[in-house]
Amino acid sequence: KNEVEQSPQNLTAQEGEFITINCSYSVGISALHWLQQHPGGGIVSLFMLSSGKKKHGRLIATINIQEKHSSLHITASHPRDSAVYICAVEGGGNQFYFGTGTSLTVIP
Amino acid sequence: EPEVTQTPSHQVTQMGQEVILRCVPISNHLYFYWYRQILGQKVEFLVSFYNNEISEKSEIFDDQFSVERPDGSNFTLKIRSTKLEDSAMYFCASRVRGGYNEQFFGPGTRLTVL
Repeated sequence: KNEVEQSPQNLTAQEGEFITINCSYSVGISALHWLQQHPGGGIVSLFMLSSGKKKHGRLIATINIQEKHSSLHITASHPRDSAVYICAVEGGGNQFYFGTGTSLTVIP
Repeated sequence: EPEVTQTPSHQVTQMGQEVILRCVPISNHLYFYWYRQILGQKVEFLVSFYNNEISEKSEIFDDQFSVERPDGSNFTLKIRSTKLEDSAMYFCASRVRGGYNEQFFGPGTRLTVL
């Protein structure tokens, strides 16, 4: 079973486009994390959310706890945004569940 | 900027051998994690560790796996008798405290079991 579902799996965008990646989860959570995995494999934490909305530069993350849904938005996308974006939820007691990731390619 | 480090970057071993993957978390961090990612698949949680004991582990983390913080700086993952299916990238992560703050990931160790 998949506790975390992401969509789309793959996304190609033109530079400058507004991008949305969605994440739905089925377990109770204490927090939701958005991660970025670079082509070389390294993982960087972008956001940690337990409610509402956070913004960091051109990235915005929102979460709706009642609907068990989160979105990651990228405004004015750039080729350097090309990466895999991973949604991960933190259940009670320090357990984590990961989505399969969204592979984003931004074309100049 | 402080970072999580992992050694080795790539480990090749024969099936049935024991391997130890090493991680040095950020120095003031208290919570430690191991994850694995089989090639082409999603990241999977293995274990979380706090106050010198396991706080959570997944179904993957069976008796073949163990973790240790032997000296207050290193955090190790041991696989006692490796199987072909243990071939994966293993990531260590740490954070200051549990809940409501971000994790910092190491660069990963690629384990290849032949």
